[in-house]
Amino acid sequence: KNQVEQSPQSLIILEGKNCTLQCNYTVSPFSNLRWYKQDTGRGPVSLTIMTFSENTKSNGRYTATLDADTKQSSLHITASQLSDSASYICVVTQAPRGSTLGRLYFGRGTQLTVWP
Amino acid sequence: DAGVIQSPRHEVTEMGQEVTLRCKPISGHNSLFWYRQTMMRGLELLIYFNNNVPIDDSGMPEDRFSAKMPNASFSTLKIQPSEPRDSAVYFCASSLELGLAGNTQYFGPGTRLTVL
Repeated sequence: KNQVEQSPQSLIILEGKNCTLQCNYTVSPFSNLRWYKQDTGRGPVSLTIMTFSENTKSNGRYTATLDADTKQSSLHITASQLSDSASYICVVTQAPRGSTLGRLYFGRGTQLTVWP
Repeated sequence: DAGVIQSPRHEVTEMGQEVTLRCKPISGHNSLFWYRQTMMRGLELLIYFNNNVPIDDSGMPEDRFSAKMPNASFSTLKIQPSEPRDSAVYFCASSLELGLAGNTQYFGPGTRLTVL
């Protein structure tokens, strides 16, 4: 069964601290994995997109890693800020290699709260 | 660029009424996506278009839902008749590339629909 599981469900950290969010998936065939940040009351914003050949991708203080063998991804946030408080959603695309058609599988998200 | 524009931002209607949600994608983008988000089910892809043509509508929950894209700058999602379980936030997103593989999607602010 194709699934995307995120952990933890929620996380509270102090401003300035680092944190790591996890995304495990069983989607096959795998095409790519996206991390989105969604502020309360707003649409998701893309942070990173990784294909099977990419191990790490950074976007400012956000660094995503992908292990296609173990089907795990993580999103590491460095030196957290109050504005990092949001829901972080992992989305995996199922598609044959080279195809632009496929299906999306969504994680339920990790709700991150950064306290001052 | 103004980004993806959705209207209305909020809609409250009574069960049985027709609801039409509107979306203007980013100019020049070739793909358009409709999503629904609820607390119970998270984020779901309903349908997407490539060059104004519907490619995959397998996420549309029932025949009560329909989507059109008459031109490159406008799309509608219609629910007729609406039911309380349709209450959700509906997002529209667009991307420059075709299909699902490897594209960055830009989300609109969403329409919060409440069906009484």
